[in-house]
This record gives sequence, structure tokens and C-alpha cells, in this order.
Amino acid sequence: LAKTTQPISMDSYEGQEVNITCSHNNIATNDYITWYQQFPSQGPRFIIQGYKTKVTNEVASLFIPADRKSSTLSLPRVSLSDTAVYYCLVGGADSWGKLQFGAGTQVVVTP
Amino acid sequence: NAGVMQNPRHLVRRRGQEARLRCSPMKGHSHVYWYRQLPEEGLKFMVYLQKENIIDESGMPKERFSAEFPKEGPSILRIQQVVRGDSAAYFCASSPSNSGPYNEQFFGPGTRLTVL
Repeated sequence: LAKTTQPISMDSYEGQEVNITCSHNNIATNDYITWYQQFPSQGPRFIIQGYKTKVTNEVASLFIPADRKSSTLSLPRVSLSDTAVYYCLVGGADSWGKLQFGAGTQVVVTP
Repeated sequence: NAGVMQNPRHLVRRRGQEARLRCSPMKGHSHVYWYRQLPEEGLKFMVYLQKENIIDESGMPKERFSAEFPKEGPSILRIQQVVRGDSAAYFCASSPSNSGPYNEQFFGPGTRLTVL
């Protein structure tokens, strides 16, 4: 399973864009990159998943460069309710079922 | 469509007692996963089950912990003779049988176990 490294914490103001970069230097060919969000006292929630280039949904965008050794989760125009821990996970079919969560990035949004 | 249900939400046990945590997966999901989150840490995988089968229990402590997902009823995570170090949030997740390639898991609200 590829190891991931992401910042411990990030602070932002309401309305700003937040970009969280995750490093995964030993990502395997068959691995996908997935991000989860966890609010206090709740279980994690799937945000977005991608393999290469750019993926966008109603919540976030995921940018993956050609070498796939890193990825960036972009949260547009954050609000106070986006304060949460964000986890970057990397894995594929060989780890299917076993999500490996790191320490995550604590994002704090203030007015 | 109800999400993943876990009960109880909070459980207090004294050292040496047994703790039973229940998880009902989302409708149509036949895969269940258990994770443990210690204070100020990320989630750690414990076990992956399908109906009546343990698929991967590589994250389960060797002693005192067991899990099952019977043909009928919820999945149960059982901790015997609890110790203070078992105090944590235990999360259950489920996924449909046809998900992939790196399947999205749907998490429940967790059970917070406190061992006195």
C-alpha cells in the first residue's frame, strides 16, 4: 500500500479556496487516489476519487499530475461547515476493502 | 434510504467486562468493515466481512476481539475483558458487492467506547 504524506493542518477564511496536497511517491500503476472528509464525532465521508488528470464533482476538484506522485484536493469557496479532517488514501484492487487512513489534514475555516 | 446504523452510540464498560458493538449496513450492501479510531489519531482498519465470512482480519488484535456478520441480523464486533486501552471510537462501514476498483465505503456514526 502506498504511503501518503499530507500537511497536519491548514487554516482558511470563509470564501477562500483551500488546496491540500498529498504526496504518494510510491503509488502503484493500479492505485487510485481517494479523499475522505471527517467531521468531529462522525464517520468519514467519501469526497472524490481519481486516477489521473483532473476530476471534479459538486463538492471538490482533484488534480493529479502526470507522474501521479502527488495529488491536490481543492475546496472552492469554503464555509465554516467545511471545517473537518481530510484524508488522502491511495490503493487499488489488492487493498480492496482495507482503507488505510493516515493522520489527515485538519482544516479550520474561520469567519 | 437509511445509512449505516450503529448502536449503541456510546458505551461505558468497566475493565474486564464485555463490549458488543452492532452495525447494520446500508440496504443492499453485503460488505462490512470495522475501523478503530483512538483519540487524536486516524482510523485503523480492523476487519472486513461478508455475510457469514471473514475476508480480512489482519487489523484485529489477536486476543479478546472477534467479529461476525451472520446471515441474518447486524454485524457484531465483540471485545472481551475490555481494558482502558480499548477506549476509542469504533466505526463500521459498508459497501455494495459490485463496487470497485477502489471501493467507496459508507461509514456509520460510530460507537464511542469508554472503559473505566
